Amino acid sequence: SQTIHQWPATLVQPVGSPLSLECTVEGTSNPNLYWYRQAAGRGLQLLFYSVGIGQISSEVPQNLSASRPQDRQFILSSKKLLLSDSGFYLCAWSESVNTGELFFGEGSRLTVL
Amino acid sequence: GQQLNQSPQSMFIQEGEDVSMNCTSSSIFNTWLWYKQEPGEGPVLLIALYKAGELTSNGRLTAQFGITRKDSFLNISASIPSDVGIYFCAGRRLSGNTGKLIFGQGTTLQVKP
Repeated sequence: SQTIHQWPATLVQPVGSPLSLECTVEGTSNPNLYWYRQAAGRGLQLLFYSVGIGQISSEVPQNLSASRPQDRQFILSSKKLLLSDSGFYLCAWSESVNTGELFFGEGSRLTVL
Repeated sequence: GQQLNQSPQSMFIQEGEDVSMNCTSSSIFNTWLWYKQEPGEGPVLLIALYKAGELTSNGRLTAQFGITRKDSFLNISASIPSDVGIYFCAGRRLSGNTGKLIFGQGTTLQVKP
């Protein structure tokens, strides 16, 4: 069966520091991968999605970037965090962008101080 | 970006009561998904709907794909304390938008024992 795992679960970082959140999927090949941000426990905002290695689409202009160095690995990064980057970040996967269900990881809570 | 209209925003009910929530859109959708999110965790898929008029149950949960393809509802019968959480609807438009899911703002459910 397929599993998705992201880490770290919790992160407290100072303003201006870098960020790296990682996500891996097991049990499937060539998944579509997504990063969402959730503010204040409500509303899911799509940040990035990827349909293959090295292919990244950004949904909103922001201080963050994403990379997909391997088929089942998706990384969310920032060179310099802002206070507004605080939130709950969710990685997700699906078999297809156009059909099928979306499955989420456990989430990563980022607090920028 | 575009979002679904999900209502109610929150509900506080007595254990044993039935619950109903819905999502509406001005666009036609070909997929409706319902998720539950508990505090500090990622959303978990409850029910997936793919055909207009489809009615699907998962235990005490029942969801329907509206016949107009512009709405969906989720019912929870005989609520219990562990039903507490945020329920999200998500839809995929029939055309355009590259097939990405659009999420509602969530319905926060609290159950009083």
